[in-house]
Amino acid sequence: KAGVTQTPRYLIKTRGQQVTLSCSPISGHRSVSWYQQTPGQGLQFLFEYFSETQRNKGNFPGRFSGRQFSNSRSEMNVSTLELGDSALYLCASSLSGGINTGELFFGEGSRLTVL
Amino acid sequence: AQSVTQLDSHVSVSEGTPVLLRCNYSSSYSPSLFWYVQHPNKGLQLLLKYTSAATLVKGINGFEAEFKKSETSFHLTKPSAHMSDAAEYFCVVTEGGGYNKLIFGAGTRLAVHP
Repeated sequence: KAGVTQTPRYLIKTRGQQVTLSCSPISGHRSVSWYQQTPGQGLQFLFEYFSETQRNKGNFPGRFSGRQFSNSRSEMNVSTLELGDSALYLCASSLSGGINTGELFFGEGSRLTVL
Repeated sequence: AQSVTQLDSHVSVSEGTPVLLRCNYSSSYSPSLFWYVQHPNKGLQLLLKYTSAATLVKGINGFEAEFKKSETSFHLTKPSAHMSDAAEYFCVVTEGGGYNKLIFGAGTRLAVHP
């Protein structure tokens, strides 16, 4: 059974640009959640999508957005990039319970560097 | 409000000796608690979870954790460390009733020496 796939794995952007990251969940998983991991702030929850709807949201500014498609694949977008957005962005999938159950399957992440 | 405190940022043990990674939580309701492990350049993997059933929870790779409500603790243990256990470990909490996000601890980096 294929795991959670995140693309791209590495990318470099400059300040002010925007970026889109993609996440393909495990087959049959309907919940996709996103996390930002940095040395300073640790792991922080961004948002969760279930059945194409945002179900839960963390405390990030509106520059961070996401969406989910009918096949459960999800994308997250960060606009007007700032240096502080440099991070490892992790995606996790789950069956219907999603983050409420805590039983998440993580991808290996997309490492974003903002110059 | 929920919070999670991992009491040690780094723990170093010798191979074959016991492992203890400490976690304290703060929660207004009945929490669900989890331990995740992250190996270098990898995503997180669920080790074990507590969801108000047995207070002693067994996980994968020989790890276990005990939920102690009176101490608001959920420490992770393993009787005998293996070199492959070297990784970062995260204690995570989610609350019951209207919960809407996971709270991660800051992580404990475990080093295992030969």
